[in-house]
Parts: sequence; structure tokens; C-alpha cells
Amino acid sequence: KQEVTQIPAALSVPEGENLVLNCSFTDSAIYNLQWFRQDPGKGLTSLLLIQSSQREQTSGRLNASLDKSSGRSTLYIAASQPGDSATYLCAVGRGSTLGRLYFGRGTQLTVWP
Amino acid sequence: DGGITQSPKYLFRKEGQNVTLSCEQNLNHDAMYWYRQDPGQGLRLIYYSQIVNDFQKGDIAEGYSVSREKKESFPLTVTSAQKNPTAFYLCASTQGGLYNEQFFGPGTRLTVL
Repeated sequence: KQEVTQIPAALSVPEGENLVLNCSFTDSAIYNLQWFRQDPGKGLTSLLLIQSSQREQTSGRLNASLDKSSGRSTLYIAASQPGDSATYLCAVGRGSTLGRLYFGRGTQLTVWP
Repeated sequence: DGGITQSPKYLFRKEGQNVTLSCEQNLNHDAMYWYRQDPGQGLRLIYYSQIVNDFQKGDIAEGYSVSREKKESFPLTVTSAQKNPTAFYLCASTQGGLYNEQFFGPGTRLTVL
């Protein structure tokens, strides 16, 4: 069974810092990896999707990398802002079941002014 | 606007009652999913459906039931057999195929009184 771990569980930083959130998974036979953002009491917003054949994806100040062989992904947030405060969830997809995702518990990020 | 809608936003249930959570999508996605989220936990898969009139159990299906009579709709019933139903319920969908990005609705918070 796929296990997904996110480190750290919580992170509090001043505005302007560059951040790295970590995600690891136990089974490297993944179809894709998706990073989400969740605000309190809300649904999940997709940030980045990396296919298993890709090494990284970028969107604005966000960059996600994928190393399948080591079972790791990182989400890099440049020049953090208070509006980035949220919980960030990593999820890996298995090709054997259409769209099935396995989630980590998330990293709760607080960016203070 | 294309997206996923869930209703109601908040739901209260008495002991022994069955309740049904609604999920509708107008993205023309083939696959739909129900996840449960508890505080400090990752999302856990309850049921999923890859095609109309077909669905499969996820990791925590006991005490839940679903139907998929239309492509756009995937309602979840929480039965009285579910011993601890208080949680945040999230519906998601994906087109599948090479891209396979998963999109989420805003969620329903269920509380047992």
C-alpha cells in the first residue's frame, strides 16, 4: 500500500522567505503527483500536477520537483506572502485505478507579515 | 463556470439517521470520488466511480453507500451503520487519461448530534 509522508507538519516563517515543503512516498510506481492547497474549512485547490515522466513543474512562484527513484517530491515557494498561509497537501496517483490518489497529512504553513 | 458543487455545506444528523450528501459536476469528467477528512489526517477514499452505473469501494467504505445514475452526479449516503460519521466530506472528479488532474468541490461538514 502506498504511504505518503509530509515534512514538516507545520511551518511558520516571516514574509519574504523562500520555502521548501517535502513529500515522500513508499512505492515509486506512481502515475502522477499532485500538490494541493487547502484553506480552513474549504475544499482543495490544485496547484501543480507532475506526470511520472516529468521532473518538475512551475506555476508563478511555485515549483514542484519529482524524483521517482528516491520516492520524493518538493514544493518550493519563492518570496512567501501572508496570502500563502494554508495547508499544503501532496497526493500520489496510481495508474492501476483511474485517478485514485493517496494523500499525505499536509504541511500547515503560516507566513507572518 | 465549470466546477464541482456539493450540498449542503453543513449537515447535522441525529443518531440512527441516514443522510445523503450531494455532489454534482459539469466538467464532463468520467470519474468521481468521495473522500473523508478528519482533523490532522490526510484524505481517505470512501468510494469511487469510473463510469455511470459502476462504482468501487475505497479504503473506508463501511457504513457508506453511493450511486452513479448520471455522469454528472455522485451522491453519498452516510448510513446509521457508520459509527463515527462526524467529518469533512470532499467530492472530486477527473477526466482521466494522460493528464488526470483531480478537482475538488467545496466540501460538506457533517456533524452527528
